[in-house]
Amino acid sequence: GAGVSQSPRYKVTKRGQDVALRCDPISGHVSLYWYRQALGQGPEFLTYFNYEAQQDKSGLPNDRFSAERPEGSISTLTIQRTEQRDSAMYRCASSPRDINEQFFGPGTRLTVL
Amino acid sequence: GESVGLHLPTLSVQEGDNSIINCAYSNSASDYFIWYKQESGKGPQFIIDIRSNMDKRQGQRVTVLLNKTVKHLSLQIAATQPGDSAVYFCAEGGVTGYSTLTFGKGTMLLVSP
Repeated sequence: GAGVSQSPRYKVTKRGQDVALRCDPISGHVSLYWYRQALGQGPEFLTYFNYEAQQDKSGLPNDRFSAERPEGSISTLTIQRTEQRDSAMYRCASSPRDINEQFFGPGTRLTVL
Repeated sequence: GESVGLHLPTLSVQEGDNSIINCAYSNSASDYFIWYKQESGKGPQFIIDIRSNMDKRQGQRVTVLLNKTVKHLSLQIAATQPGDSAVYFCAEGGVTGYSTLTFGKGTMLLVSP
């Protein structure tokens, strides 16, 4: 049984470029979450989906950040016009339904130069 | 691999000791609580959860205690092993209308053989 997967695992980009981070949740999981984790800190909520519907995007820092899950499975987090402050570990998690154990992926380490 | 242990409160124990990791949560309306273990370079891994209608829940070698009066959560690990060395995060969630998790500050557990 595969867990949550994320790609790429590492992404280095130049300031001003757009990046797309992909999350493949556990098959059949209804809910999918995006977090950002700074070194030494707990994951910080960004947004989440139930099926293809974005339920809450209150954690997205600004309008350069967006996420989609068009078919209720794979999700993409897009950051436009990246800035150095966007450098972080971006983690995805999925769960069978709301308010339940979330299974985390290995994360994508984003570095903006 | 990345280190998530920088500048974190640290608990150092000897192998075989019992460990207690404490967490203060912020929202009195939260009704779901969860503990995660995070090893260096990996995503958070579920340990145990508890709902607000309970004050204690036991798993294998772990017990979570919830004190809603003082908004305090603790994780007890019995017979701590070197493999338990990691950063531990508590998280709260389940506030009506939301199913996101808010993570607390982590605690690094170091187990000496």
